[in-house]
Amino acid sequence: TQLLEQSPQFLSIQEGENLTVYCNSSSVFSSLQWYRQEPGEGPVLLVTVVTGGEVKKLKRLTFQFGDARKDSSLHITAAQPGDTGLYLCAGDRSGGSYIPTFGRGTSLIVHP
Amino acid sequence: DARVTQTPRHKVTEMGQEVTMRCQPILGHNTVFWYRQTMMQGLELLAYFRNRAPLDDSGMPKDRFSAEMPDATLATLKIQPSEPRDSAVYFCASLPGRTITGELFFGEGSRLTVL
Repeated sequence: TQLLEQSPQFLSIQEGENLTVYCNSSSVFSSLQWYRQEPGEGPVLLVTVVTGGEVKKLKRLTFQFGDARKDSSLHITAAQPGDTGLYLCAGDRSGGSYIPTFGRGTSLIVHP
Repeated sequence: DARVTQTPRHKVTEMGQEVTMRCQPILGHNTVFWYRQTMMQGLELLAYFRNRAPLDDSGMPKDRFSAEMPDATLATLKIQPSEPRDSAVYFCASLPGRTITGELFFGEGSRLTVL
């Protein structure tokens, strides 16, 4: 069983649509990261959330950390083809040593 | 432009052969991770080092995998003997000693195919 469950696994949408992807766990995390990975490359950090209930915005991307620090969501407004990629959440339970465990990811394709 | 460098980028080998993957972490980063990525399992942590000392390698099959960090600029992951089920993309990532974001810096990966 995966410590972090991401849903949906795949998402194919048209340019301009909104979408939300989820990252859920039964464990509490001291921090949670979202990464984006493009084909043939390694993941690149988008954001870190630390406080329960925290909301962070990065242009058209909105990240929320659950109040209990067990889950998170990523909302993209007006998706663009450049948003295409694999979105990975990673949770750290080590209390700040940053030993992250990754979910399997949501593969997003945005069609022009 | 500081980056994690991995070699080789691609490796095709036959079952039973030894495979060695190398990683040069970002200068000054004191924690180095090895991950394996497959469609089925996603990114799995194989091992990690802090200040060159191995802290956890419980994610690695012990009988065939070994990870070392002979110096601060080189981490290696060796598979001997390799098996078809080892086919995956292997990522190295490094982390600075002091971090607020917990950002892992990943290399571009080594894609391994074992026939």
